[in-house]
Amino acid sequence: EPEVTQTPSHQVTQMGQEVILRCVPISNHLYFYWYRQILGQKVEFLVSFYNNEISEKSEIFDDQFSVERPDGSNFTLKIRSTKLEDSAMYFCASSRDRTSSPLHFGNGTRLTVT
Amino acid sequence: AQTVTQSQPEMSVQEAETVTLSCTYDTSESDYYLFWYKQPPSRQMILVIRQEAYKQQNATENRFSVNFQKAAKSFSLKISDSQLGDAAMYFCAYRSGENYGGATNKLIFGTGTLLAVQP
Repeated sequence: EPEVTQTPSHQVTQMGQEVILRCVPISNHLYFYWYRQILGQKVEFLVSFYNNEISEKSEIFDDQFSVERPDGSNFTLKIRSTKLEDSAMYFCASSRDRTSSPLHFGNGTRLTVT
Repeated sequence: AQTVTQSQPEMSVQEAETVTLSCTYDTSESDYYLFWYKQPPSRQMILVIRQEAYKQQNATENRFSVNFQKAAKSFSLKISDSQLGDAAMYFCAYRSGENYGGATNKLIFGTGTLLAVQP
């Protein structure tokens, strides 16, 4: 069964550094998402992406964050200058359509900012 | 705005027994979809079951079934014959079925219920 893949599984970075989290969505999916889960807490929406542009973003997704689909397969989340509070599990997800299909999630990238 | 509430932070069940996890939601929309996701200690997010709001029949997937009460805005998950591998965090989630132009209808999660399975 096709799946969403995320790399790396764990990223450790120093405060102020830039990180790029990578995702390969399921190949016939058109809608892409990033979510964040701070340890033990709620799964929070960051951003959705369709047709090569951001469709919706949350208040968490400020100017430090950006997303890109640089080629036909990858979908990346960049954090320009990481803060301690960016430490979390970041999940990429994709879906076939905008409403009825479930979101399929990757295994997540655990980001630790020191 | 739509909200999802899971009022049980933790639940426990004996192996082979049945447990029900509660979820309520608030929405003014008539077209939407509801999901349960399982998050084991590995932190993956695994789809358990899906329910379409316009279908009265409750969804079932093997040992997992839902009790969908649309008027009450309730969507509980029943796990029958609980197994040790069912131990996980369970998230209830809502997705709008409305067409809002360019929106991609994100998934809105509840806060989760941590299920322990006792041998």
